[in-house]
This record gives sequence, C-alpha cells and structure tokens, in this order.
Amino acid sequence: DIVMTQTPLSLSVTPGQPASISCKSSQSLLHSGGKTYLYWYLQKPGQPPQLLIYEVSNRFSGVPDRFSGSGSGTDFTLKISRVEAEDVGVYYCMQSLRLPLTFGGGTKVEIK
Amino acid sequence: EVQLVESGGGLLQPGGSLRLSCAASGFTFSSYAMNWVRQAPGKGLEWVSTISGSGDSTYYADSVKGRFTISRDNSKNTLYLQMNSLRAEDTAVYYCAKGRGASIMNAFDIWGQGTMVTVSS
Repeated sequence: DIVMTQTPLSLSVTPGQPASISCKSSQSLLHSGGKTYLYWYLQKPGQPPQLLIYEVSNRFSGVPDRFSGSGSGTDFTLKISRVEAEDVGVYYCMQSLRLPLTFGGGTKVEIK
Repeated sequence: EVQLVESGGGLLQPGGSLRLSCAASGFTFSSYAMNWVRQAPGKGLEWVSTISGSGDSTYYADSVKGRFTISRDNSKNTLYLQMNSLRAEDTAVYYCAKGRGASIMNAFDIWGQGTMVTVSS
C-alpha cells in the first residue's frame, strides 16, 4: 500500500498569516501518462470533506486562490497564503495512483 | 445542484447486515465512478470501495473485501453498499463520494453528508 504521511499533525495560525502542510508518499505518485494523482481535502468541523486541490496543483471549482498546491514525485505541499477563520478544520491528502486509495492522517488547522 | 444523500445507517449487533443507499442528483450518474469512504469516530478517512460508472468494475479495501458489496442502479441514480458480517471496527460515518470522472483514478469532488453505522452488542 502507498503510505501517505502528513506533517505537522496540527497547526495554530494567526488570521492573515500563511500556513503550509506537507504530505509525503511512500512511492512516487507520477503515472506513466504524465499525471500525478495527489489530492487535498478539507473537512470543516461537523461537515463532510470537500475537495480543494486535484492532481497536485489544480484548484477545484469555487476554491479561493489563497489555496495552492505544489510538489512532485513523493513530496507535496498545500499552502494557504493568508489564513481566514473559515479555513479551520482537518486537511487530508490522498493518492489514487494505486489501490487501495489511501489518505494521509490529517493536519488540524486552528486559529490563534 | 449536484447532491448526494446517504441513508440506511443504524445501530446493529456484530455479525449483522445493513444496506446503505446514496441517492444522486444533478449530474449524469452513469458517467461517473462512485465511492464509499468511512470515518471512525474521532479518526481519519478510510477508502472503502469504488465502482465504475457502468457498474462492471468494483474495488474494495482489504478490510471489507468478502463482506461488503458495492453496487449501483443507474436507472435510479442510486449507489448501494451491502454490508454483511459487521464488526465493531466497522463503526463509522459512511460517506458516498462522486468521482471527478469515469476513471477510478480521480478525486472525489462531491461528498454526501454521511450516514452513521454503529456495530455494538
């Protein structure tokens, strides 16, 4: 199985400040077809997860441009340029290159 | 509006069976792979199962293989998860999630609100 490791486990951020979450996979997520199957989700308190970023760096419809994804191979990063109160929750990375589909353990983001 | 609504959760004893349903609306259901993802209380997300748009191909996590069956009725725009031989460790919120495309190698772009399954004696 591909293991997804997220750091840090939690993050406390002052509104307006940047935040960064790392996700490392145990194998490269680059497909032979050229796409990299790495996604980012946010689960706000009491809600289902919502897709933020697909294929490393593509923002899903309606996702604010303060969210950005980057990385390649096995190392990936989600950045929030200026954290807002509505960004609190748990962030998960996920891979779909190989079955079983696997998620990172999550990073909890709180506001100071 | 694209929407997924799960139903069928409940409290049952170990060894029991349950069928979850997920009613889809707002998109061409048969064109998309569909998925079940679960979340145990206070824990992270765990992929459970995926089915292709036609229903011809199905995939399962090892933890549920042989006990759970995913299926879909494209005429009713509904996804199912038949859960047999339930164990305490199956206790979780079960989310239905739409694939972003026909391929299983895709993000889950729309999620339902989830349905709670509790397995306890």
